Amino acid sequence: DAKTTQPPSMDCAEGRAANLPCNHSTISGNEYVYWYRQIHSQGPQYIIHGLKNNETNEMASLIITEDRKSSTLILPHATLRDTAVYYCIVRVGPGGTSYGKLTFGQGTILTVHP
Amino acid sequence: SAVISQKPSRDICQRGTSLTIQCQVDSQVTMMFWYRQQPGQSLTLIATANQGSEATYESGFVIDKFPISRPNLTFSTLTVSNMSPEDSSIYLCSAPTSGGARLSYNEQFFGPGTRLTVL
Repeated sequence: DAKTTQPPSMDCAEGRAANLPCNHSTISGNEYVYWYRQIHSQGPQYIIHGLKNNETNEMASLIITEDRKSSTLILPHATLRDTAVYYCIVRVGPGGTSYGKLTFGQGTILTVHP
Repeated sequence: SAVISQKPSRDICQRGTSLTIQCQVDSQVTMMFWYRQQPGQSLTLIATANQGSEATYESGFVIDKFPISRPNLTFSTLTVSNMSPEDSSIYLCSAPTSGGARLSYNEQFFGPGTRLTVL
């Protein structure tokens, strides 16, 4: 799976949008971009994923650049409960030999403050 | 959404002993995964547990140290054998599940983890 690069930490004010960047310049054509987060003392939680189109769900939006070498996770209205470590992961989709395995980097520690 | 539970949630063990961690998924899954998260670190995949075949271990992990069972499509165990303080970690199981029409098949769910401390 392609390697990802994320800033080690970010701050965000409550109620504002949190924009978390991720670089994945070696991503290949059959690899998806996934985002997970891990709130303290809990297991990781799936947020969103995409291949090449921008995606939105009830939790977040995912913006993938046209060349797919980077992406941004957007939490539109961050709350204190969004304080967590956010992991950007690139992996093959269903049918790939390593499907299901997740390679976690160090992630970005997002702190949402009042 | 799918629910994955683990037992025990935490334990404190003596050096040289073994601990078996149980993972239960509320739906049938082909693959289950075991991860380790050492203090202050990210998650590292230990092995893939497939029902009906031996587990596949990642580099740096061996079956003698981390034997895994997978008796059916909803259950797996991970044993941490002959423990040392370096084994103190959070151990998490995970499975990709199709939890219903609303969820993408590609979502992967994690259990709450088992926090192990070895003295």
